[in-house]
Amino acid sequence: EVQLVQSGAEVKKPGDSLKISCKGSGYAFSSYWIAWVRQMPGKGLEWMGTIYPADSDTRYSPSFQGQVTISADKSISTAYLQWRSLKASDTAMYYCARHLAAAGTGWGYWGLGTLVIVSS
Amino acid sequence: SYVLTQPPSVSVAPGKTARITCGGNNIGSKGVHWYQQKPGQAPVLVISYDSDRPSGIPERLSGSNSENTATLTISRVEAGDEADYYCQVWDSSSDHWVFGGGTKLTVL
Repeated sequence: EVQLVQSGAEVKKPGDSLKISCKGSGYAFSSYWIAWVRQMPGKGLEWMGTIYPADSDTRYSPSFQGQVTISADKSISTAYLQWRSLKASDTAMYYCARHLAAAGTGWGYWGLGTLVIVSS
Repeated sequence: SYVLTQPPSVSVAPGKTARITCGGNNIGSKGVHWYQQKPGQAPVLVISYDSDRPSGIPERLSGSNSENTATLTISRVEAGDEADYYCQVWDSSSDHWVFGGGTKLTVL
C-alpha cells in the first residue's frame, strides 16, 4: 500500500528555520516525483515545487523559488520542505503528494498534511 | 504563466446534476486532473487526464475537456459530494503545475 507519512505540526516564531518531511512507503520511492502543495487558511491549493528523488531534479513554482528548499534522501525514502527564515505568512497546511502512476498523471496519493503556524 | 479559472461556487439540489467548469487558454490540448477536498481532509484525485476515474471513484463523477473549457460533472448529486473541487494541469511551456482557484459545491 502506497503511503506518504508527513511530520507533525509545528509552531514557530518569525525568523525561525524549519524542515518538514514526507516519508514514502509501499513503492519505489526514487521513481516517482514528489510534489509539495501549500494551502493557506481558508484558501486554495498552490503548487510549490516538485522533486524527483532518483537524481534530486527539482522544479519550483515562481511564487516559491528562493523562498523554500525542496530536497530528498532516497536512502530513507523521505522528501523535505525547508525554510531558512519563516514569516507569519508561511502559516499554512503543507501537503506532499505523488502521481497515481506515470509522471503527468494526477496526484493520486497524498500525505495528511503538516500544519505550520508561525506566530510571535 | 498559465491561468485556470473556476467559478467560486456552484449550488445544486440533491439528485440533480452539478457541472463545475475550469477555463484556460486551449486547455483542451492539456490533460486536466480534478480533486475533491472536504473540510479538514487532504485532497482526493477524482478525475485524471480529463476523464479517467481512479479506482474507488463513483461513476457519477465524470470529466470532459474541449477547446477552452474542462468540465467536471457530478450526476445524481448527494449530500456527501459537498466539497471544494480543484482542477489542475501541467503547463509544459513553463514546466509548472497549475491549480484552478477552486469551486465550493453546495448541496441545497
